[in-house]
Amino acid sequence: EPEVTQTPSHQVTQMGQEVILRCVPISNHLYFYWYRQILGQKVEFLVSFYNNEISEKSEIFDDQFSVERPDGSNFTLKIRSTKLEDSAMYFCASSVRQGMTDTQYFGPGTRLTVL
Amino acid sequence: QKEVEQNSGPLSVPEGAIASLNCTYSDRGSQSFFWYRQYSGKSPELIMSIYSNGDKEDGRFTAQLNKASQYVSLLIRDSQPSDSATYLCAVNGAGNKLTFGGGTRVLVKP
Repeated sequence: EPEVTQTPSHQVTQMGQEVILRCVPISNHLYFYWYRQILGQKVEFLVSFYNNEISEKSEIFDDQFSVERPDGSNFTLKIRSTKLEDSAMYFCASSVRQGMTDTQYFGPGTRLTVL
Repeated sequence: QKEVEQNSGPLSVPEGAIASLNCTYSDRGSQSFFWYRQYSGKSPELIMSIYSNGDKEDGRFTAQLNKASQYVSLLIRDSQPSDSATYLCAVNGAGNKLTFGGGTRVLVKP
C-alpha cells in the first residue's frame, strides 16, 4: 500500500538555524500539505500546495516558512531561522481529489527539536 | 475562527463494549468530515470519512453525521485493547485544509 514518507524522523537544531524537512507524497497524489503538532496540542494546518503553488496557508506560516517541490517526487518545508517555539512534530500529507471527496493521508512525521 | 470540539476524555470502556465519540464543528459550510486515530508519538491514521447526513459503516466503526446539528460521531463496536488511542475529528475547509479537534483519548480495558 502506498505511503507518505518523511525524512528525517528526528531533527535537532540550534535556534536561528535553517532546517529542511522532506516528504515524498503518494505517487499519484497532486495535493500536498504540511501540518504541525506541538506536544500535547492539536494538529494544526500550515500550508496546502497544488500545481507548484500555495493554495492556502495559516497564520502560523509566516515569512520564516517556505515550501517547494524541487522535483517530481519530493515536497519540502523550510524553516529559515528556527525558534524555540518551532519545536513540534511536523506532518506531511497528500491527497487526490475525486469530486467532492478529498482524503488526506499523513506521513509518519518529523520531530523537530530546537535548542 | 472555525472550531472543532471534542471531549478530551479519557473515555474508558471495557473490552467488547461500544465506544461512542462525539465532535461538534462551527463552520456550517463544511462538507467533508474525517475521523483519524493517533497513537502516542505517531501520525494521524485515517479511519473513516463521511460526507452525507446519516450513518456510514466500515467494519467495527460507524460514523454518523448530522449537518443540521453540526455534529459528527464515531462508534467503535467490540472495542479491543488495540483501539486504545486518541481519536481526532477533522473537518475540511477552504484550500482543503483540515481543522482538527483536540482529540478524545480512549482506553479499552481488558
